[in-house]
Amino acid sequence: DAGVIQSPRHEVTEMGQEVTLRCKPISGHDYLFWYRQTMMRGLELLIYFNNNVPIDDSGMPEDRFSAKMPNASFSTLKIQPSEPRDSAVYFCASSLYPRAGGSYNEQFFGPGTRLTVL
Amino acid sequence: DAKTTQPTSMDCAEGRAANLPCNHSTISGNEYVYWYRQIHSQGPQYIIHGLKNNETNEMASLIITEDRKSSTLILPHATLRDTAVYYCIEGSSGTYKYIFGTGTRLKVLA
Repeated sequence: DAGVIQSPRHEVTEMGQEVTLRCKPISGHDYLFWYRQTMMRGLELLIYFNNNVPIDDSGMPEDRFSAKMPNASFSTLKIQPSEPRDSAVYFCASSLYPRAGGSYNEQFFGPGTRLTVL
Repeated sequence: DAKTTQPTSMDCAEGRAANLPCNHSTISGNEYVYWYRQIHSQGPQYIIHGLKNNETNEMASLIITEDRKSSTLILPHATLRDTAVYYCIEGSSGTYKYIFGTGTRLKVLA
């Protein structure tokens, strides 16, 4: 398996522009997570989905942020309008729901998208 | 806020064991301890997890105290490639929210 795929790997945009980050989870995984990492705040969970349904979006910083998962193999994180303080590395991760007898939910992270908003 | 506390940084000589401590004094009965690491510019990578028994896999060993309030991740023979930030996380098997703290920045020295 190719692992979690994220695109683009790097994005530079100007303040006010719309930014869309993309993620393809590992095939068959039930959960998908979006994280943001900055020097100041570390690694923060923004939102996560189970079977394409958003379960917890309490980490989404503002209404400017939105996330969708139209099908099991694709998710987007959109920022509109973008601001310089949104500059960060955004990670997508996926995991498999523990099957009978299983105990843990190892999350597999993608390589991240480094976003710079000028 | 993160529910675990870890030292900010540690050094370890190459080939020696690296012992990374973590305090999780508020852990509840059904919460697992997970360890992840993040090598520079990459996404975090799962290492190991445990509930109350000591665990070992091909990457590391996890020692959990009997009261479960702390644990130690052991890399038995550290290499330069083990230089990374190591995160200790409490997580319930019923929820999937990881709260990452600041982690321990391990530097393996040649």
